[in-house]
Formats: sequence, structure tokens, C-alpha cells
Amino acid sequence: GAGVSQSPRYKVTKRGQDVTLRCDPISSHATLYWYQQALGQGPEFLTYFNYEAQPDKSGLPSDRFSAERPEGSISTLTIQRTEQRDSAMYRCASSFTLGPTETQYFGPGTRLLVL
Amino acid sequence: AQSVTQLDSQVPVFEEAPVELRCNYSSSVSVYLFWYVQYPNQGLQLLLKYLSGSTLVESINGFEAEFNKSQTSFHLRKPSVHISDTAEYFCAVRLQGAQKLVFGQGTRLTINP
Repeated sequence: GAGVSQSPRYKVTKRGQDVTLRCDPISSHATLYWYQQALGQGPEFLTYFNYEAQPDKSGLPSDRFSAERPEGSISTLTIQRTEQRDSAMYRCASSFTLGPTETQYFGPGTRLLVL
Repeated sequence: AQSVTQLDSQVPVFEEAPVELRCNYSSSVSVYLFWYVQYPNQGLQLLLKYLSGSTLVESINGFEAEFNKSQTSFHLRKPSVHISDTAEYFCAVRLQGAQKLVFGQGTRLTINP
């Protein structure tokens, strides 16, 4: 696609429910990133994929958080048993390839509110 | 671990005035530096980046930033702002060899007519 897309754009859920967020990266991009952005803060790294491999999960805050990219394109981020502290903007980004000089292109984000 | 500090959470300026958004980082190894911008109701967009070479980098819409290694800073400047520059600006660093971006807290730039 022309840019990174994310769905849903907004999600309201009740505490204890599971949610799944979706990211559709730029079609030629091998690398995909997930970030979490709390209100009033900058984005914080959660995890990244290179194709379908997930080399770094160090930013996932707990084992309730998991991410997949089974075919190396679309990715999902799942939060199980949501808690109010999970309320945040979840941002997905993609880059053409690995490498610290590669530009990361961000999607519009999914705003999650846990009641 | 590296960190990024944006000293001002909000910066109000008048249209056509100059502006500087400050960014300092801490890292024991070499880094790449970025400024991202988020316009209202839009996603993050890359504004400019420093990878190597000239320490002064420019964007297409008149912003510039200068990498100062001794002061570990990467301040963003524009000599004359426009209403359309109203946005939130994020400074970010990336270690050489690392994949993730580490962001500052963001600075909200408000332009008043």
C-alpha cells in the first residue's frame, strides 16, 4: 500500500477483555515495529519483526502482550486481560530493511482506552 | 542506556518569529538522530535526520537541526514559523547497530497569529 495503515483507529474495551490491533505495513518493507505511546509521552519501543522473525521483544511490558507477523507482512499486537494502564496510542512503523539508518514510516496509530 | 530529553513540553510563538526546540540525549556510544513531527490528527512523519557528515541538516519546509557532539544536543530551529507549523515535535535517537528508536517526550509547538 501507499503508507502504513492500522486498524482499528480507536478501540474502547473493558478491563479484562482481550484486544487485537492490526498493522498493514508498506508492501515492500521487510521490517515492522510496534511502539506504545502514553498520553503526554513519546513513543516507547515494544518489539520489531524482520520479515516473520521477531528478534527483539524486550520492550513488551508483560507476558499479556504478544505480537505476530506470520507471513512477513501484516502484523497483529494482542493484549490479553487488558488493564487500565494499557490505555495508550499504539503505533506501528515499517522500514524497507534492517539498519539503523533506515527511515521508519509510521501509521496513524490505534488509540486504546481500557475502562 | 540511552535517553532523550526535550526540555520544553510546550512552546508558544507568534507567526513569523524564530523558534528553537531543544533536544539533548545521553549515550555512551555513537547515535543517529531524528526529528519527527505529528500534525493534528495525523501520524508521525520524519522531518529530518542526522546520520553522518555535515552536522547541520535541513528539512524541505525550512527547519534545520545541528548535531553538537560535545553538548550531546540536536536542537531544531526555524528562523520564521508559519501557522501550518503547529504540531508536536519528537526528537529521537538510534544507536549504531540497533533497530529501535528512543524518543523524547515531545514538544508541542503552537503558533499564534
